Amino acid sequence: DTGVSQDPRHKITKRGQNVTFRCDPISEHNRLYWYRQTLGQGPEFLTYFQNEAQLEKSRLLSDRFSAERPKGSFSTLEIQRTEQGDSAMYLCASSLDFGTGEQYFGPGTRLTVT
Amino acid sequence: RKEVEQDPGPFNVPEGATVAFNCTYSNSASQSFFWYRQDCRKEPKLLMSVYSSGNEDGRFTAQLNRASQYISLLIRDSKLSDSATYLCVVNRGGYALNFGKGTSLLVTP
Repeated sequence: DTGVSQDPRHKITKRGQNVTFRCDPISEHNRLYWYRQTLGQGPEFLTYFQNEAQLEKSRLLSDRFSAERPKGSFSTLEIQRTEQGDSAMYLCASSLDFGTGEQYFGPGTRLTVT
Repeated sequence: RKEVEQDPGPFNVPEGATVAFNCTYSNSASQSFFWYRQDCRKEPKLLMSVYSSGNEDGRFTAQLNRASQYISLLIRDSKLSDSATYLCVVNRGGYALNFGKGTSLLVTP
């Protein structure tokens, strides 16, 4: 399968714990995006990488959130001191040519904070 | 006010029906427009881009009215497999896609 992959697919954690998610984009894609989706809402943009550079961050990305893409390939999203409001689906997407708007999404990591 | 507004539905239609979804966007500087489809508990997938001249892909027709800041999607001859949530998506020219909440469609036998 050459699509975007995410790991884990599901994560249950207790409030206050740290969690880290991984995204592997389509191999030739140099652009990588993180979105968050809650029930009944469309995905909301969190952050964007072009190669290893993080070029844009949403206001939604509080200080407890950090994302990296160290070698311009896979990316990680870490949430520190999780809160119940962090419960959501975290979607990763990648694209080669932004101009077409075609971002390819991974299956997401569903986070539940108890 | 959200940047992209959609009627959430649900739209329940019989097989073979024609159904139309509408979407409005607030930022007149928006540059690119799309419809994505999202099946239950799955990731969004691009259905089609939307061009000012209107465009068609099989049973699907998309229209854009920049003056009214209005986007539409028409599905003809609905199939059971069309049941999904349809997300109206707008790009302002930056990196982020701005999604509406989605319109839920259920096609029944």
